[in-house]
Amino acid sequence: AQTVTQSQPEMSVQEAETVTLSCTYDTSENNYYLFWYKQPPSRQMILVIRQEAYKQQNATENRFSVNFQKAAKSFSLKISDSQLGDTAMYFCAFRTQGGSEKLVFGKGTKLTVNP
Amino acid sequence: KAGVTQTPRYLIKTRGQQVTLSCSPISGHRSVSWYQQTPGQGLQFLFEYFSETQRNKGNFPGRFSGRQFSNSRSEMNVSTLELGDSALYLCASSLAVPRDGYTFGSGTRLTVV
Repeated sequence: AQTVTQSQPEMSVQEAETVTLSCTYDTSENNYYLFWYKQPPSRQMILVIRQEAYKQQNATENRFSVNFQKAAKSFSLKISDSQLGDTAMYFCAFRTQGGSEKLVFGKGTKLTVNP
Repeated sequence: KAGVTQTPRYLIKTRGQQVTLSCSPISGHRSVSWYQQTPGQGLQFLFEYFSETQRNKGNFPGRFSGRQFSNSRSEMNVSTLELGDSALYLCASSLAVPRDGYTFGSGTRLTVV
C-alpha cells in the first residue's frame, strides 16, 4: 500500500522569505504522480503543483517549486517570497498511473506566514 | 468555468439519521471521488465513480454509499449516522487522467449530535 508522510505538522515563515515543506512516500510503483494541495480556511483544496514521476525535471509554478528525488522517494515543496495568502494547510498527495484512481494524502503541514 | 459544487455547505444531524450529500463536477469531468477529512484520520478516500460506475472503494463500512448520475453529478449517502461520522466531506472531479489530479469542491461540513 502506498503511504505519504509529512513530518512537519506545523511551520512558520516570515513574509517574503523562503520555506520548504517536506514529503516522503512509499510505493512499489514506477510510474505515478505527485501533487501538493493547499487548503486555506475556506476549506477548498487547491492544486498547487504536480510532478510526473517519469519526468526528471522538477516542476515549477511561479513562486512554488518542488525538489523531486525519485530514488529517495522524496517530494518537497519550496515556497519563495512567501505571502500572507500562503497561510494554509499543505497536503502532499500521491496517485498511481492506473488502476486505483485515488489520491493518497499525507497528514498535512500547517504553514503560517507572519507579517 | 464553474468549479465543483457541493451542497449543502453545512449540515447537522442526529445519531441514527441518514444524510445525502450532493456534488456537481466540473463540466466534462466524468470522474467523481469522495473523501472524508477529520482531524484525527486526515483525508481518507471513500469511493470513486466514473460514468455511473463505482470503480474504487475505500475502507469504510457499508453505511457509506454513493452513486453517480448520467450527467456526472454524484450523491453520497450515509445511513444510521454515528458521532464519528462528523467530518468535512470533500468531493473532487477529474478528467480521469492521472496527471491532472483532482479539482475539489469546498466540502460539506457534517456534524452528528
